[in-house]
Parts: sequence; C-alpha cells; structure tokens
Amino acid sequence: KNQVEQSPQSLIILEGKNCTLQCNYTVSPFSNLRWYKQDTGRGPVSLTIMTFSENTKSNGRYTATLDADTKQSSLHITASQLSDSASYICVVSAGYGNKLVFGAGTILRVKS
Amino acid sequence: GAGVSQSPRYKVAKRGQDVALRCDPISGHVSLFWYQQALGQGPEFLTYFQNEAQLDKSGLPSDRFFAERPEGSVSTLKIQRTQQEDSAVYLCASSLLRAGGAKGANVLTFGAGSRLTVL
Repeated sequence: KNQVEQSPQSLIILEGKNCTLQCNYTVSPFSNLRWYKQDTGRGPVSLTIMTFSENTKSNGRYTATLDADTKQSSLHITASQLSDSASYICVVSAGYGNKLVFGAGTILRVKS
Repeated sequence: GAGVSQSPRYKVAKRGQDVALRCDPISGHVSLFWYQQALGQGPEFLTYFQNEAQLDKSGLPSDRFFAERPEGSVSTLKIQRTQQEDSAVYLCASSLLRAGGAKGANVLTFGAGSRLTVL
C-alpha cells in the first residue's frame, strides 16, 4: 500500500533555531516528492519538488533532501521565524502524477 | 484569477442535506483535483479532471459524491444525503499541465478549501 509517514507529529522550537522534519515513504512507482507548507485555514503551498535524480533542493531557508534508495526525505528549516509556524506536509507522487499520496503532516510551532 | 478560489469557505449542513462546493481554478489550468482533508490529517485524493474530462474518480468514497467540470474551468463537488463522516475540509487544486505529462512534475496551486460540518 502506498504510504507516507512523517515525524515528528508536532514540534515546538524557539525563534532563530533550526529544525529538521522527516518523511519516509513506500510509494511505487516513484515519480517525485514534494514538501508543502499549510497555514491554518489555508490550502497547502508548494515549497520544493524533487525527482528521482535530485538529492537536495533549497528554497530560501528551506532545504529538502531525498534519498531514493532508503525512501527517505527531510526538510531542514534554518533560522526559524514565527511565520514558519504551520503544518509541513510531505507528498509523494506515484506513477503518472495524478496520484499524490500525502503524509499527515508535522505541525511546527515557533515560539518567541 | 490570481489563485484558486473556493466557495463557500464554510458550510454547515444537517445530516441528509445535499451540498455543492465550488472551485474556480486558475484561468487556463488544464488539471483540476479535489481532495478531502479530515482534521489533523493530510489531504486524500478524491478525483481528477483534465479539462472537462473526469479521468480519475477512484478516490470518491461513495456514490453520494459527484464532481463535474462541464466547460473545463469551474468545477463543482456535490455531496448528496450528507453524513457526519463527510465533515472535512474539501480542497481544490489546479495545475497548468496535465498530470503525467512529458514536462515532468506539475506544480499544484491549492485553494483555501471549503470546510464542511455535518450536524
């Protein structure tokens, strides 16, 4: 069964600190992996998209990594800001792309 | 428009009532997706349109759920005889490319969602 598991379920960090969110997947055939940020009451917004051949991709203070052999991905947030408080969702695209398998998300709270 | 617009943002329905949720995708976007997001969970796929054609409806949970996109732009998700377990946020997303196209991963733009509460 295609699954995406994320950890931790939730996380609280102090403003300015770094953090890393994890994603493990069992999705086949793998097409690409995406990280989304979802603010409360909003739809998800794309942060990064990585295909099989990409190991890392950055978007400002967000850096995603992908290990296609171990089927793991991480999202590293540097110098966190209060506005980073949101749910971060790992999404894996299976097959021809119209089947996106979503993780349950990691709820991040950045405190001042 | 500038983004994906969904209406209503909030809908409270009595059990057994029919509801209709509307999605206005970004103009010119070929692909349109509907997702269901339960509280504390990630979105789950419901259905996919390429222009006006509904190419995948494998995620619709029952025959009470029906979606259409008759002119290849605006889409409506209809839920008949609503049940309490239908309570969720219904997200619509659109993308410029058709899913699975040769140009690779297509970026989805999501709407803010319609929150349905069935009493």
